[in-house]
Amino acid sequence: GAVVSQHPSRVICKSGTSVKIECRSLDFQATTMFWYRQFPKQSLMLMATSNEGSKATYEQGVEKDKFLINHASLTLSTLTVTSAHPEDSSFYICSVGTTSSYNEQFFGPGTRLTVL
Amino acid sequence: AQSVTQLDSHVSVSEGTPVLLRCNYSSSYSPSLFWYVQHPNKGLQLLLKYTSAATLVKGINGFEAEFKKSETSFHLTKPSAHMSDAAEYFCVVSEVSHNRKLIWGLGTSLAVNP
Repeated sequence: GAVVSQHPSRVICKSGTSVKIECRSLDFQATTMFWYRQFPKQSLMLMATSNEGSKATYEQGVEKDKFLINHASLTLSTLTVTSAHPEDSSFYICSVGTTSSYNEQFFGPGTRLTVL
Repeated sequence: AQSVTQLDSHVSVSEGTPVLLRCNYSSSYSPSLFWYVQHPNKGLQLLLKYTSAATLVKGINGFEAEFKKSETSFHLTKPSAHMSDAAEYFCVVSEVSHNRKLIWGLGTSLAVNP
């Protein structure tokens, strides 16, 4: 399967600052990537679907101006949390979508964001 | 619309005893089904997937799951639990649409007691 990396693995920032999280597909050309958010002891919540070279598709209730997604190449998608607040603290996970008919996704290790 | 229900939020077993994690799904089409495992502070790992080739699916680390269409179930089992199996387990169904979304269960936390 595809190998997916995320950087940074952990980040702590002050309230009001912006944080960028990178998701890289190391061995697979990813036309579609997904961004998830996971609160402690909870399941994954899909935030948006990122398509290479086009605008991301956001899920209902996710603020597109707050969570900026850029998918400029087949190997890199970025999520920028703008003007972060403590309620944005969470575990952010990206995944690479495959072209298989099974809709299999390969996941990055996640990024733990803490906003003080 | 597709959905998935994990029937137990927490399961506790003794080491060496069988594991059963239950999952029911709802789908209007032939679904693809997955089980993922997440260890504390680790990334998600695919345990196994059902893709209509065989109803009994074998995965990694001795896990397997059986797709039962009549019961709309995809329960995960393992004959003998190991301490290292303690983790969060997610049952996932794929959405049959162009956007390829995954529908996630709420997860089952598996504890393995010595």
